[in-house]
Amino acid sequence: DAGVIQSPRHEVTEMGQEVTLRCKPISGHDYLFWYRQTMMRGLELLIYFNNNVPIDDSGMPEDRFSAKMPNASFSTLKIQPSEPRDSAVYFCASSLVGGEQFFGPGTRLTVL
Amino acid sequence: DQQVKQNSPSLSVQEGRISILNCDYTNSMFDYFLWYKKYPAEGPTFLISISSIKDKNEDGRFTVFLNKSAKHLSLHIVPSQPGDSAVYFCAASEVGNAGNMLTFGGGTRLMVKP
Repeated sequence: DAGVIQSPRHEVTEMGQEVTLRCKPISGHDYLFWYRQTMMRGLELLIYFNNNVPIDDSGMPEDRFSAKMPNASFSTLKIQPSEPRDSAVYFCASSLVGGEQFFGPGTRLTVL
Repeated sequence: DQQVKQNSPSLSVQEGRISILNCDYTNSMFDYFLWYKKYPAEGPTFLISISSIKDKNEDGRFTVFLNKSAKHLSLHIVPSQPGDSAVYFCAASEVGNAGNMLTFGGGTRLMVKP
């Protein structure tokens, strides 16, 4: 298996623009997670899905952030409008129930 | 308030010696603990885990110790190798979450000098 795939790997955008991050989990995994890593807050969970259904989105910072999982092989994290403080590395991870989480390589987002 | 803390942001160790990375937690509901390793420009990768019913788990050069009364766990790497140089994250999950919803510490950067 190719592992968790994320795109793009790098994204540079201007404040106010919409940003969409994409993730393809490992085939057969039931859970999908979105994390954000910053120097100040470390690695924090934003939202996670079980069988394509959002289970906990309490980590989503504000209404500008939204996540969807239309099917078992694809998820998006959208920021609209983006702000400079959203600059971070965003990771997607997937797992089987009770299993270890496998992380993608991350998307480095820079909002100017 | 951080529920999982790694108080040492960095650690430098000589090749062949033991590396000890520490992690403290505050949430009594945590019952499953994991260590992840992260290289630059890559996602974290799972290293080793321990359930609260154990106090030690070993996998090759890596051993995790859990002290529930002190709410403390540690990762021992023996012997340390230059390839172990990375950022190490401690993570924990609560009872009933089956390891699925993880709370991460801030990470410790380990540098192993040849």
